Amino acid sequence: NAGVTQTPKFQVLKTGQSMTLQCAQDMNHNSMYWYRQDPGMGLRLIYYSASEGTTDKGEVPNGYNVSRLNKREFSLRLESAAPSQTSVYFCASSLQRGMQETQYFGPGTRLLVL
Amino acid sequence: GDSVTQMEGPVTLSEEAFLTINCTYTATGYPSLFWYVQYPGEGLQLLLKATKADDKGSNKGFEATYRKETTSFHLEKGSVQVSDSAVYFCALTNQAGTALIFGKGTTLSVSS
Repeated sequence: NAGVTQTPKFQVLKTGQSMTLQCAQDMNHNSMYWYRQDPGMGLRLIYYSASEGTTDKGEVPNGYNVSRLNKREFSLRLESAAPSQTSVYFCASSLQRGMQETQYFGPGTRLLVL
Repeated sequence: GDSVTQMEGPVTLSEEAFLTINCTYTATGYPSLFWYVQYPGEGLQLLLKATKADDKGSNKGFEATYRKETTSFHLEKGSVQVSDSAVYFCALTNQAGTALIFGKGTTLSVSS
């Protein structure tokens, strides 16, 4: 099992460009998440998908959109990138939504917006 | 709202020293508590977890006990190794069970 995979690993964008970060999991998990990690701030939730066909905003959703393409895949789109979106982005998944569920993380995508 | 506070780093130790990283939390309800570890250039890996009061999570020599009375979940290891050098994150699940709320992370550096 590959677990949670993310592409690309690293990306440089110019302000105003768009891009999509891809995430896939092969653990048959129902719930998927996107976080961003910034220095000194831990990880913050951008969006989550409790199950296929549903998505909801997290703590910092502005400037992002998501698509739960199917049970395996959950993509994050930046329509018009801004320097404030320079960050490391992590996708995660869990078997289901719930307080006792463990989330499993991908290796991350490092994004630099100039 | 729910929050996690963990000790500021970096923590610098010699090999075989005792490690404690403090973590306290504020939450409504009864969250599960987690410690995740992030090695350089990698994603987060679950280190251990506890789902109810007085539970002790343990893995790879690390331990943490869910203390409801002190709202704490301190991470300990009796003898650290150079390979333990990483960033450690304390986290809890929010009340809706839809997200992890993380502390800011503590960098551990172990020298031989």
